[in-house]
Amino acid sequence: DTGVSQDPRHKITKRGQNVTFRCDPISEHNRLYWYRQTLGQGPEFLTYFQNEAQLEKSRLLSDRFSAERPKGSFSTLEIQRTEQGDSAMYLCASSPDLLNADTQYFGPGTRLTVL
Amino acid sequence: DQQVKQNSPSLSVQEGRISILNCDYTNSMFDYFLWYKKYPAEGPTFLISISSIKDKNEDGRFTVFLNKSAKHLSLHIVPSQPGDSAVYFCAASESGAAGNKLTFGGGTRVLVKP
Repeated sequence: DTGVSQDPRHKITKRGQNVTFRCDPISEHNRLYWYRQTLGQGPEFLTYFQNEAQLEKSRLLSDRFSAERPKGSFSTLEIQRTEQGDSAMYLCASSPDLLNADTQYFGPGTRLTVL
Repeated sequence: DQQVKQNSPSLSVQEGRISILNCDYTNSMFDYFLWYKKYPAEGPTFLISISSIKDKNEDGRFTVFLNKSAKHLSLHIVPSQPGDSAVYFCAASESGAAGNKLTFGGGTRVLVKP
């Protein structure tokens, strides 16, 4: 079990540029989540995938944000025309597909800094 | 609308003593609760969880207590060790809602002094 991995770990970009992050979940986990964490706050839910289907998106996910999970394995999160307010830690988590509540396991995160 | 709150931003405790972290929630539909530990520049690490059908769950040095009537849960760490120094997040989910998405509190920074 290699755990959830994320790439890159750090990204510095200029305002207006596009960025893309990748998440590789634990291999047998069907559910994949993206969260965002800003300084001094807890993580906030952005979106969730069941296999390749994106089933829910938070109001936090503006139209500049898009996420995909094309083959139900890894996922990408793209931010277009980045703004300074996008600076945050972007966290990916995965969990097995169980009927009852289950534990989510997080990756190390991608720290985005928008200059 | 903060549905999960950790009212103590920080906690300092002597090594070997008990650390007690508290968490309150407002959404009565939450039925699964988790505690995560986070070191700087790392993702949250799962510690322990509890279902709403229980009022206590133990795992080694960690015990979580749930008081549904008060909408309150707590995490006890006994004995505290210097390696426990980190930020602890309480999280809650509602079964079936957005794939059991987690709603987090703001975190409590714990410092264990040797």
